[in-house]
Amino acid sequence: ILNVEQSPQSLHVQEGDSTNFTCSFPSSNFYALHWYRWETAKSPEALFVMTLNGDEKKKGRISATLNTKEGYSYLYIKGSQPEDSATYLCASMNNNAGNMLTFGGGTRLMVKP
Amino acid sequence: EPEVTQTPSHQVTQMGQEVILRCVPISNHLYFYWYRQILGQKVEFLVSFYNNEISEKSEIFDDQFSVERPDGSNFTLKIRSTKLEDSAMYFCASTDGAATVYEQYFGPGTRLTVT
Repeated sequence: ILNVEQSPQSLHVQEGDSTNFTCSFPSSNFYALHWYRWETAKSPEALFVMTLNGDEKKKGRISATLNTKEGYSYLYIKGSQPEDSATYLCASMNNNAGNMLTFGGGTRLMVKP
Repeated sequence: EPEVTQTPSHQVTQMGQEVILRCVPISNHLYFYWYRQILGQKVEFLVSFYNNEISEKSEIFDDQFSVERPDGSNFTLKIRSTKLEDSAMYFCASTDGAATVYEQYFGPGTRLTVT
């Protein structure tokens, strides 16, 4: 069973602050790492999928990096806005586990105006 | 933009009753999944479905659970005799299977409360 961990569990920042969260996952048999943004009562929204060591992806003010050798990924938000408030989930996909996603516990971000 | 839909958004049932949770995946997608999140815990994989059969299932997905794609558009999760510990948010997801990394698109979830 994969163990995917995220930190911190929750984070309060002021509007305009930049912030980052961590996702750690087992590096053996790694296949892909997914980041999702989840607002209450809405569908989790796919942000990034990364597969290669050193991958960096960017979408607007949000970016992510991947280190498959040491088993971690960072998600960065530059200049946080109140609408960035959500839970950010990472999920790992493993070569031995087909298409199933193993999720971390999420980081809940609250951005104060 | 195509999206995965789920009904109902909230279902309350008594222990021992059967429930069916419904999902309409994105229309050209080929792989379908159910996940659940018990309050305060991580999202957990239940089952994946491809070509009209289960391709993988977790230990949670015991004989009380079944899945079906009855009509080519709906994808259902049935719990035969609900237990209190089945109370959770149930998410359906789908993927087209053509992409290398199988990006999964999630529905908004059905909150199941077993009393």
